[in-house]
Amino acid sequence: GENVEQHPSTLSVQEGDSAVIKCTYSDSASNYFPWYKQELGKRPQLIIDIRSNVGEKKDQRIAVTLNKTAKHFSLHITETQPEDSAVYFCAPYTGGFKTIFGAGTRLFVKA
Amino acid sequence: DARVTQTPRHKVTEMGQEVTMRCQPILGHNTVFWYRQTMMQGLELLAYFRNRAPLDDSGMPKDRFSAEMPDATLATLKIQPSEPRDSAVYFCASGTQYNEQFFGPGTRLTVL
Repeated sequence: GENVEQHPSTLSVQEGDSAVIKCTYSDSASNYFPWYKQELGKRPQLIIDIRSNVGEKKDQRIAVTLNKTAKHFSLHITETQPEDSAVYFCAPYTGGFKTIFGAGTRLFVKA
Repeated sequence: DARVTQTPRHKVTEMGQEVTMRCQPILGHNTVFWYRQTMMQGLELLAYFRNRAPLDDSGMPKDRFSAEMPDATLATLKIQPSEPRDSAVYFCASGTQYNEQFFGPGTRLTVL
């Protein structure tokens, strides 16, 4: 079946530093690659997504890069702030309308 | 501002009791997902529907869980009988194919 792996599982950075989270998937039919952010006690919310015809997408301090050949995509956060502290999930869409969420990366931004 | 709604927000029940959770997806969304979240398991897909038809419920324990969409405005997840290991937050999400999923606020279930 489909396999989704996220690394690292925990990431601690100093405020102002950059953070990178990688998601590896197994289904070559995947064509939609979102990242969700979940703050403590709240629902997951989309922060950025990319489709398979694009290699990179930016939105202010966050960006997503996609390598379809290697079957991985990454979330990049620059100039991290304390409010970026949360759990981040990748959730690639497979060919069968289904999403598999990664196990999550807990990001701590130290002030 | 359209949102997915879920009821109840919190539920405490005793082992063996039936639990029904409800979800109202965003109007116009044709895909509905049910997830379970625990500290240990992350976001686990239980079932999902497309145009109200169940596409995959392989993530659910079939002997006790059931999911339905009686109409386009209501999705239900039932547990009968409930067990302490079912304690978790259950999220419903809706969306359209190959697009963002919008999550409801979740139902926090505690089975004693």
